[in-house]
Amino acid sequence: GIQVEQSPPDLILQEGANSTLRCNFSDSVNNLQWFHQNPWGQLINLFYIPSGTKQNGRLSATTVATERYSLLYISSSQTTDSGVYFCAVDDMRFGAGTRLTVKP
Amino acid sequence: GAVVSQHPSWVICKSGTSVKIECRSLDFQATTMFWYRQFPKQSLMLMATSNEGSKATYEQGVEKDKFLINHASLTLSTLTVTSAHPEDSSFYICSARAPMQGLAGALSYNEQFFGPGTRLTVL
Repeated sequence: GIQVEQSPPDLILQEGANSTLRCNFSDSVNNLQWFHQNPWGQLINLFYIPSGTKQNGRLSATTVATERYSLLYISSSQTTDSGVYFCAVDDMRFGAGTRLTVKP
Repeated sequence: GAVVSQHPSWVICKSGTSVKIECRSLDFQATTMFWYRQFPKQSLMLMATSNEGSKATYEQGVEKDKFLINHASLTLSTLTVTSAHPEDSSFYICSARAPMQGLAGALSYNEQFFGPGTRLTVL
């Protein structure tokens, strides 16, 4: 099956900083989504982005399908951005996630 | 976006009993739903894919007789943990896949929406 790798595994930022999270996948995909899991366990859809670029407020994402990676950008980070960010591909195979901590 | 509910949100049961978890898509019909389990500080592990009106497809290593899945309607899938044991304690999460034609253009086909999860503790 497709392997999904996310980096970095952990990220600590000061409030206001920008960050880039990466998701690499081992084969071509038809579907790719980014999620934020909040402290209560709820997965929140951020982007459905099998290819191209999307933006939503302080967040944006780019998937380069031909090179098998996707990037999630968080600008002007806030403490409420803390949590785990997952990417998932095709039949929702999840990467290990990036644990983000934003300090005030 | 679309809303997926799960019930119960948490459950504590004695070893040997069975527990049923419901997953509902509230404002769209989902022909395919997925069940995951998540251990603390780990990623989500896909357990099975549930298709309405047919048998579920289980991932390798998941006991189908232990984790019974029923997808009787386009809005409801259930996961029953039979004869639960302490090692079955986990966070169980379902998701539903958006249909071809979503709500007012808000949904992308194949986009998945997750329920809030069910925390199972087996004593």
